[in-house]
Amino acid sequence: DGGITQSPKYLFRKEGQNVTLSCEQNLNHDAMYWYRQDPGQGLRLIYYSQIVNDFQKGDIAEGYSVSREKKESFPLTVTSAQKNPTAFYLCASSIDHARKNTEAFFGQGTRLTVV
Amino acid sequence: QKEVEQDPGPLSVPEGAIVSLNCTYSNSAFQYFMWYRQYSRKGPELLMYTYSSGNKEDGRFTAQVDKSSKYISLFIRDSQPSDSATYLCAIAGGTSYGKLTFGQGTILTVHP
Repeated sequence: DGGITQSPKYLFRKEGQNVTLSCEQNLNHDAMYWYRQDPGQGLRLIYYSQIVNDFQKGDIAEGYSVSREKKESFPLTVTSAQKNPTAFYLCASSIDHARKNTEAFFGQGTRLTVV
Repeated sequence: QKEVEQDPGPLSVPEGAIVSLNCTYSNSAFQYFMWYRQYSRKGPELLMYTYSSGNKEDGRFTAQVDKSSKYISLFIRDSQPSDSATYLCAIAGGTSYGKLTFGQGTILTVHP
């Protein structure tokens, strides 16, 4: 089955801890994205990557970091510098960031809660 | 002004009703328009994708784009309780191919 897998589904973080959210895709897509979703605010772009070993900041990158060492994987680290990390995190991929096929396909999300 | 505006609702309709969901956008460079459906605690799934003005139909769903007014719509005919979800419009294009800009999402409830 082709798709995007996010893990874990639920994650709890203590104040001051870094946590890493996993995102893996087997769609052979070049581009991958991380979005954050808060109630009433839609989806906001955190980071995106067009190719391996390259990534760009989105609209709300502060307090987050990413890596793209493999085409299939785009993990997101929520650092202790992120002041309000409790949210629903969504990973997505698309065939090619620069092409005109812009449909993005999403994973099932990770709900992060600070305790 | 937000790049994409979407009425968050909530919207509640009886089963069988025609539902109209709308978004407006500000950047005329946007060329690609999508509608996603998101069930509670799930990731969004792509419903419709269009790249030109006019209508696109898929079963009970019709996506409409009016670039002159910067206005997009999603119509759902014969709505069903299983259509109850949050509907998100998403727009891309200009210098930001692949980077989707989302509306807030409209919460729809179809009651039997």
